[in-house]
Amino acid sequence: ETGVTQSPTHLIKTRGQQVTLRCSSQSGHNTVSWYQQALGQGPQFIFQYYREEENGRGNFPPRFSGLQFPNYSSELNVNALELDDSALYLCASSRAWDYGYTFGSGTRLTVV
Amino acid sequence: DAKTTQPNSMESNEEEPVHLPCNHSTISGTDYIHWYRQLPSQGPEYVIHGLTSNVNNRMASLAIAEDRKSSTLILHRATLRDAAVYYCILSLRGNSGGSNYKLTFGKGTLLTVNP
Repeated sequence: ETGVTQSPTHLIKTRGQQVTLRCSSQSGHNTVSWYQQALGQGPQFIFQYYREEENGRGNFPPRFSGLQFPNYSSELNVNALELDDSALYLCASSRAWDYGYTFGSGTRLTVV
Repeated sequence: DAKTTQPNSMESNEEEPVHLPCNHSTISGTDYIHWYRQLPSQGPEYVIHGLTSNVNNRMASLAIAEDRKSSTLILHRATLRDAAVYYCILSLRGNSGGSNYKLTFGKGTLLTVNP
């Protein structure tokens, strides 16, 4: 198993800019989710993709968007970055809803 | 969303068993109980999950109360590598069929393991 890999590991952006974070799912996993983790807090669900369709979304504004590709890799896009978007962004993949998720190590985004 | 309640922190000694409690009094009949842990500077790691019966795997055991309103994660012999934040989570289905659910994390329990 290759696990879940995320890139980049760290990123610094300026307020108002746009950012794209990337995730390669574990082999055989058709579901991918994205989470935002602020310092000292538990991860918060952003959205989930299953077979290239978004099928669940948390309480995040539309400027957070995503894509899942036929090879089940995924992107998280954030437009009009705000200072509060500074966080660890985690990608997680799974085979099916009643299996555990495999998380990547995350991308640390800092907005200045 | 059904919520879970966990102690903020717990302490254990190396090679002793650890029982991490979780209360989920508003759990629904179809909610699975999941446990994840997060080591410093890493993403969460799946530990175990169950629905009604007690579950065992190579990492831990999950004991689920008969009324499903509480559960306990059991680490049989704690090691220093088990020091982490442990999250008890109820899986919530998404808004369509297929493979979909979201994990609603709380603040978890910070487990400290003393040598």
